[in-house]
Amino acid sequence: DIVMTQSPTSMSISVGDRVTMNCKASQNVGSNVDWYQQKTGQSPKLLIYKASNRYTGVPDRFTGSGSGTDFTFTISNMQAEDLAVYYCMQSNSYPTFGAGTKLELK
Amino acid sequence: QIQLVQSGPELKKPGESVKISCKASGYTFTDYAMHWVKQAPGKGLKWMGWINTYTGKPTYADDFKGRFVFSLEASASTANLQISNLKNEDTATYFCARYYYDGYWDYYVMDAWGQGASVTVSS
Repeated sequence: DIVMTQSPTSMSISVGDRVTMNCKASQNVGSNVDWYQQKTGQSPKLLIYKASNRYTGVPDRFTGSGSGTDFTFTISNMQAEDLAVYYCMQSNSYPTFGAGTKLELK
Repeated sequence: QIQLVQSGPELKKPGESVKISCKASGYTFTDYAMHWVKQAPGKGLKWMGWINTYTGKPTYADDFKGRFVFSLEASASTANLQISNLKNEDTATYFCARYYYDGYWDYYVMDAWGQGASVTVSS
């Protein structure tokens, strides 16, 4: 299985901050990485697919980049409604998820 | 609009079985595969496998071979997950997710998710 190592595990942030998190794949996954947001008690919501494509209706403060084994997800201007756990997922082979990055208010 | 509506919470005893449903609406059910994802309490997401909604052929992740069965009621646009011989470690929320094909990027992605079905296994 391809392991997705996501970092950091959690972040304490303030509204307006620029937030960056990373995902490292255990082998080359091309651009086959998606990013999901999960708020407490809700199902995951697709934000970014194929490493850098913003899904329909997703605000442009959310961006993704990377290819091969290293991927980055950024929120450019953190809003209170962005508090959630964010997961990366590779789909180059059978899907595997990162362990998640939890965003909390400072 | 696209919706996946899952069945309600279940409380079961070890050794029993449970069947979870995922009813799709707003699109042609057989055009897109359905994936299943497990989330244990306070934990992350784990992919369980998927079912081809056109042929009915299921594919299971290694950790979900044996007691887990994906099935369809295509006429009702519904995908089902059945778990037999329940164990305490099956306590989790189970999500269904549509596997959408983006023709422009030639790419498949889980773009719509059910609200989750909670299963609690306790004696």
